[in-house]
Amino acid sequence: AQKVTQAQTEISVVEKEDVTLDCVYETRDTTYYLFWYKQPPSGELVFLIRRNSFDEQNEISGRYSWNFQKSTSSFNFTITASQVVDSAVYFCALTFGAAGNKLTFGGGTRVLVKP
Amino acid sequence: GAVVSQHPSWVICKSGTSVKIECRSLDFQATTMFWYRQFPKQSLMLMATSNEGSKATYEQGVEKDKFLINHASLTLSTLTVTSAHPEDSSFYICSADPWEGMNTEAFFGQGTRLTVV
Repeated sequence: AQKVTQAQTEISVVEKEDVTLDCVYETRDTTYYLFWYKQPPSGELVFLIRRNSFDEQNEISGRYSWNFQKSTSSFNFTITASQVVDSAVYFCALTFGAAGNKLTFGGGTRVLVKP
Repeated sequence: GAVVSQHPSWVICKSGTSVKIECRSLDFQATTMFWYRQFPKQSLMLMATSNEGSKATYEQGVEKDKFLINHASLTLSTLTVTSAHPEDSSFYICSADPWEGMNTEAFFGQGTRLTVV
């Protein structure tokens, strides 16, 4: 069985601070995919990143960066110089190779960026 | 990018009535679609996997007679909440996998907010 844990339920920061969201996963599959989604108050899911289990390179996209460490089964997400528009719920999710995009979601972390 | 359209975006219905939610892949064919449910301030939980031309596969604890899923074409899956009750009030969201089966990002619809009064 797969499991995704986001231990932080809510994080509050002041604008321009950095914020790191933790994601720890469990799976027995050797081929799997990890995702991060942003869910603003409107409800839609905004895709941020998809990473396969064989690619451990860290990734940076603008103010967003991700740190994937298989040794600790973690896929953490950092927002640098946070902005009010970053306020949302962020979900980490997992699927395994043969399951297509049948996602197991973590509990989500609500990020509140105060001006 | 691939677009998934979900309709309606919100609906209010009376207790005991049925509600149909549509999930369409607009520019690709989807052999598989997934339906998720999200209660307020909670995570998304998979309800069922919808495969074109065959019966849906429901997750444990999801009543298949209450949540009817039909995937009659490669671009459309529908979820019908039958005899809805207030406890069915939730955010329902679908995703679609391309026909080619390539692992790409999951393409999600905009979601449907259901309120049963």
